[in-house]
Amino acid sequence: KQEVTQIPAALSVPEGENLVLNCSFTDSAIYNLQWFRQDPGKGLTSLLLIQSSQREQTSGRLNASLDKSSGRSTLYIAASQPGDSATYLCAVVQETSGSRLTFGEGTQLTVNP
Amino acid sequence: NAGVMQNPRHLVRRRGQEARLRCSPMKGHSHVYWYRQLPEEGLKFMVYLQKENIIDESGMPKERFSAEFPKEGPSILRIQQVVRGDSAAYFCASSTGTHGNTIYFGEGSWLTVV
Repeated sequence: KQEVTQIPAALSVPEGENLVLNCSFTDSAIYNLQWFRQDPGKGLTSLLLIQSSQREQTSGRLNASLDKSSGRSTLYIAASQPGDSATYLCAVVQETSGSRLTFGEGTQLTVNP
Repeated sequence: NAGVMQNPRHLVRRRGQEARLRCSPMKGHSHVYWYRQLPEEGLKFMVYLQKENIIDESGMPKERFSAEFPKEGPSILRIQQVVRGDSAAYFCASSTGTHGNTIYFGEGSWLTVV
């Protein structure tokens, strides 16, 4: 059974810092991995999608890496801003589970002005 | 192009009543997924549907819960005889296909059972 773990559970940083969020998964037979952002009381916004054959994806100040064989992914946020404050969720689609996403419990990020 | 639309956004039901949550996928999307987020927990998969077909319902509780995605109209998640433990945020997502396609989420329906 796939399990996704995110560390840390919560993170508070001053504005301008570069930071790294970690995600690990127990079953490396994944099809892809996705990072989402969730604001309080809101739905999920997809940030980056990494296919299993890819090593990383970049969008603006965000960079996500994937090491499938070791079951790890990181989300790097450069020059953090207060508007980045949200919960960040990592989710994987397994090769054998169609399109079903297995989520981690998220990292709650607070960027202080 | 409107996103995934869910309604109602907030719903209060008394124990024993029925809750119906609706989801209209993005235009052109024929795959719909329902997830549940219990308080202080992560999102858990419930069911995956295509038009008129349930593809994977391995995450659905065995009793009281049902889902459909008819040929016309929105997908419906139905919870009969609600209990306090059903209080959660229910998220719908849609995509154009399986595997490598990006999945888009709605804003969620927050169910409170009193």
